[in-house]
Amino acid sequence: GAVVSQHPSWVICKSGTSVKIECRSLDFQATTMFWYRQFPKQSLMLMATSNEGSKATYEQGVEKDKFLINHASLTLSTLTVTSAHPEDSSFYICSTKASRALVRYGYTFGSGTRLTVV
Amino acid sequence: ELKVEQNPLFLSMQEGKNYTIYCNYSTTSDRLYWYRQDPGKSLESLFVLLSNGAVKQEGRLMASLDTKARLSTLHITAAVHDLSATYFCAVGPYSGGGADGLTFGKGTHLIIQP
Repeated sequence: GAVVSQHPSWVICKSGTSVKIECRSLDFQATTMFWYRQFPKQSLMLMATSNEGSKATYEQGVEKDKFLINHASLTLSTLTVTSAHPEDSSFYICSTKASRALVRYGYTFGSGTRLTVV
Repeated sequence: ELKVEQNPLFLSMQEGKNYTIYCNYSTTSDRLYWYRQDPGKSLESLFVLLSNGAVKQEGRLMASLDTKARLSTLHITAAVHDLSATYFCAVGPYSGGGADGLTFGKGTHLIIQP
């Protein structure tokens, strides 16, 4: 249980275009979704926290106008990288916590999206 | 600000040897997580440690938590090549709630040579 499906797995886009990444909770309701970014050979950094039906909370240094987060339903959260530039190239991972699975599994992570901006 | 320090950051060891990865964190928390990441992949949950003195074991890996010392360890026993990966510790939100995400250590890149 507690599976998070993330799409796409990888994407290559041109500078200036926008890319949408989706995360779906398949067998539970995810009221909260966390979005992380991981640069090559570095750790995961929390970008923002989204709650269903409300505005996302962004971490310091993350541009909210560039990384648009929508959490319109209990099973879907999206991250849109707007006007992407090469420095946005990274591995983006979503995560959530299913209350009933927290003790055993902790947080559940999506499979990640490798974004390359050319 | 919560800081999580993990060491070593890089470890090369031979099969059959034992070693320990350390994870220190700076503020009170009673939720400590260990994850494994293979190259180009997402995170695989290894252990969830929720109380002081918690010890969990899975195969050749054993994790422990000392909340008073703000220290967790991941011990590898008789390492095998398949354990080569990057291991992250992460600290969760304060007990009692909140919707904060995890703060991760920098990761330990582990290479186990035959």
